[in-house]
Amino acid sequence: GESVGLHLPTLSVQEGDNSIINCAYSNSASDYFIWYKQESGKGPQFIIDIRSNMDKRQGQRVTVLLNKTVKHLSLQIAATQPGDSAVYFCAENSGSGNTGKLIFGQGTTLQVKP
Amino acid sequence: GAVVSQHPSWVICKSGTSVKIECRSLDFQATTMFWYRQFPKQSLMLMATSNEGSKATYEQGVEKDKFLINHASLTLSTLTVTSAHPEDSSFYICSAGPHADTQYFGPGTRLTVL
Repeated sequence: GESVGLHLPTLSVQEGDNSIINCAYSNSASDYFIWYKQESGKGPQFIIDIRSNMDKRQGQRVTVLLNKTVKHLSLQIAATQPGDSAVYFCAENSGSGNTGKLIFGQGTTLQVKP
Repeated sequence: GAVVSQHPSWVICKSGTSVKIECRSLDFQATTMFWYRQFPKQSLMLMATSNEGSKATYEQGVEKDKFLINHASLTLSTLTVTSAHPEDSSFYICSAGPHADTQYFGPGTRLTVL
C-alpha cells in the first residue's frame, strides 16, 4: 500500500559534521516530496521540497536528493548545528493529484552532540 | 512566510466532554485545510480534509461523528472532538496554504483527556 518510511529512527552526529537522513517511499505516482523539521511540542516546519522531475535541489545548508529508480529520498544537512536537533519527516503528496494532502514518513530524530 | 495559528495551544478536559480546536490562516485564504493527529514519538496521520462550504472528507478509520469539522470561512476551520476519551489524547495539527503545493502547519494543540 501507500507508505513513506524512514530507514533509521535516530541519528546522532557531532556538531560540524554533515548529516544524512534517508527516506523510502512506495508510491511511484507521487510527484512532490517535502522535508519537514519538527521540534518538541511544535508543528512541522518546512525545510525543502523537490518535484519528481528533479533529482537534486539545494537550499541553505540543506540538499535533497531524489532517486526515483529505487524510490529513495534523502536530506543532507551540512555543518550540523545544535539547533538542527529535532525530528525530521519526509512527506509526499498523495499521488492522486495535487490536493495538498500529505503522507508522512515515520520520522528520524537527529541528535547533535556539541 | 504564511502563518497558520491554532487555538488553544493545549487543553485538558474530562472524559465525555467535547473540545473545539480552531485553525486559522492569518494572511491568506484557504478553501482547503487539513487536520492531522500525532501520538507521542509517532508520525503525523492525516485525519480529514476540511473544505470551505462543503462537507469534510475523512480518512479511512476516522469517525466523522466523533471528529466534527466545520470550515466556516476561508480563514477558519474547527475540529470538535466529541465525547472525548483518554485515547483521544494527542497532538492535533492543522495545515493550510494559499496553494495546494504550499502547506503551512499550525503550532499544534495538545489535548489531554482525563
